[in-house]
Amino acid sequence: EVQLLESGGGLVQPGGSLRLSCAASGFTFSSYAMSWVRQAPGKGLEWVSAISGSGGSTYYADSVKGRFTISRDNSKNTLYLQMNSLRAEDTAVYYCAKEAVAGTVGQHAFDIWGQGTMVTVSS
Amino acid sequence: SYVLTQPPSVSVAPGKTARITCGGNNIGSKSVHWYQQKPGQAPVLVIYYDSDRPSGIPERFSGSNSGNTATLTISRVEAGDEADYYCQVWDSSSDHKVFGGGTKLTVL
Repeated sequence: EVQLLESGGGLVQPGGSLRLSCAASGFTFSSYAMSWVRQAPGKGLEWVSAISGSGGSTYYADSVKGRFTISRDNSKNTLYLQMNSLRAEDTAVYYCAKEAVAGTVGQHAFDIWGQGTMVTVSS
Repeated sequence: SYVLTQPPSVSVAPGKTARITCGGNNIGSKSVHWYQQKPGQAPVLVIYYDSDRPSGIPERFSGSNSGNTATLTISRVEAGDEADYYCQVWDSSSDHKVFGGGTKLTVL
């Protein structure tokens, strides 16, 4: 069964850091681009960042560029999101999502989503 | 940056047809994907590449895309279809994935 399992969320103070992980199983992880998508409480979906299957190409939303870093360890089938300089507006459920078609980041849909991990930025 | 515009809410009676629109500049030239999200759950892909259905998604769900508007159509609406629906595209000019603001479908 294809599955994504996020972890690492929690409560952090403004200006602090947190690293999220997404463990993948049931598919050839290194063949697929992956993304992080977040959802603030009561709000819509917001794409955060994406990474190619090899990890050689990364993409960021303007709202997190320079503060967040996406990476992956294909030997561990795990996706990461390092979040620094956190702000109250970063409070959200963070989902990892798999692109439906093997290859680079692009026009493909997200066919598999994790259950999400909650990040709360508050003093 | 590329913007996708969805109506905040759509209401429909059971058994009728719901149409949820997603507006964007020349969106017809892009591939549009649609997701269904029920409260407390992760999104689920219901339509990809404008009009294709993943396995397990009922034939009642269909999509179209032309000009400046993409549309998700749900025929013979059921109570279980009540959810938030999001459209999504890839904006190649900015290398960003973009989501619409979401539409809450209410089944009367």
